[in-house]
Amino acid sequence: KQEVTQIPAALSVPEGENLVLNCSFTDSAIYNLQWFRQDPGKGLTSLLLIQSSQREQTSGRLNASLDKSSGRSTLYIAASQPGDSATYLCAVRLSSGSARQLTFGSGTQLTVLP
Amino acid sequence: GAVVSQHPSRVICKSGTSVKIECRSLDFQATTMFWYRQFPKQSLMLMATSNEGSKATYEQGVEKDKFLINHASLTLSTLTVTSAHPEDSSFYICSAATPQGSYGYTFGSGTRLTVV
Repeated sequence: KQEVTQIPAALSVPEGENLVLNCSFTDSAIYNLQWFRQDPGKGLTSLLLIQSSQREQTSGRLNASLDKSSGRSTLYIAASQPGDSATYLCAVRLSSGSARQLTFGSGTQLTVLP
Repeated sequence: GAVVSQHPSRVICKSGTSVKIECRSLDFQATTMFWYRQFPKQSLMLMATSNEGSKATYEQGVEKDKFLINHASLTLSTLTVTSAHPEDSSFYICSAATPQGSYGYTFGSGTRLTVV
């Protein structure tokens, strides 16, 4: 059974700092990995999607990497801003099976202090 | 594009009543939608997979008679919490695969259910 772990569970940084969020998964036979952002009481906003054949994806100040063989992904946030404060979730989709559902990590709650 | 609309965003109901939550794909057809439940400060747990025109597939431990799922069209899936109890209070979120599948999943804005 796929298990997804995110470290750290919570992170507080001063504004302007670069930071890295970590995601690890136990089954490397994934179809893709997706990073989401969730604001309190809200749904999920997709940030980056990495296909299993890709190594990284970039969008603005965000860069996500994927090392499928070691079961790891990182989300790099450059020049953090208070507006980046949210919970960040990673989720993987297995390559096998027809259900296509995602397995989520427990999230990293990020606070960027002004 | 690929927007999923979920309603209501918040609902408070009395214990013993039923509540219906709607999930619509606004600009694409979704043959499969997923329903998740999220407890405070926890991640999303898949409850069931909703398939258009057929019965939903429920995850182990999820009562199908309590959480009724209907996916009658390619753009609408509904989750009905029947005979709700306070322990059913939670945040419910639906999602659908964006067109062409490989582009990931898009999520609704969630429904905060409080049973009093």
